[in-house]
Amino acid sequence: GAVVSQHPSRVICKSGTSVKIECRSLDFQATTMFWYRQFPKQSLMLMATSNEGSKATYEQGVEKDKFLINHASLTLSTLTVTSAHPEDSSFYICSASSNIGQGRTGSYNEQFFGPGTRLTVL
Amino acid sequence: GEDVEQSLFLSVREGDSSVINCTYTDSSSTYLYWYKQEPGAGLQLLTYIFSNMDMKQDQRLTVLLNKKDKHLSLRIADTQTGDSAIYFCAERRGSARQLTFGSGTQLTVLP
Repeated sequence: GAVVSQHPSRVICKSGTSVKIECRSLDFQATTMFWYRQFPKQSLMLMATSNEGSKATYEQGVEKDKFLINHASLTLSTLTVTSAHPEDSSFYICSASSNIGQGRTGSYNEQFFGPGTRLTVL
Repeated sequence: GEDVEQSLFLSVREGDSSVINCTYTDSSSTYLYWYKQEPGAGLQLLTYIFSNMDMKQDQRLTVLLNKKDKHLSLRIADTQTGDSAIYFCAERRGSARQLTFGSGTQLTVLP
């Protein structure tokens, strides 16, 4: 399947600082990227959907000014956690899908997931 | 309540079959997926089934879909210790691209 990377894999930061997480599709063009948040031993909660070149669509309850998403190219989306606080500590996972041709995502528009980023805010 | 529900834990002995169950509520589900998550890692797509199918088999994996009861199951034959992980079912509704995930089932394979 297609490969999605995230960077960094782990980050520890002080309260009040901002942290940027990158999500890259390495071998396909991702027209849509999704950002999820996962608390320990819980499911993935969709935070936002971003389409290349347009503003992200945030899920209810997700602060768009706190979680800034940029999808500037077909291979890169970034999530910036601004003024991070301990309650923002979580596992952040991105996924990418494509509607360009049939390619790897085929007709079922599979989402390919990144390995996740563990954020710890002290 | 949750849109997609799973039992939280399942333990099986190595070599036995595992059956992980999932129920969903939205009748507009078009695709249903099973993902595997190992500790500290992202999600790996195991298999998926289109909503007009009843069953899909892929090597050791068998997916059964009862659309009337909105029940999905994943059977893993000859379960191995490497199958120990969290398994998530997920649904895709209509033409939407986003997925709704269940709470995940922690599968523990005992030697």
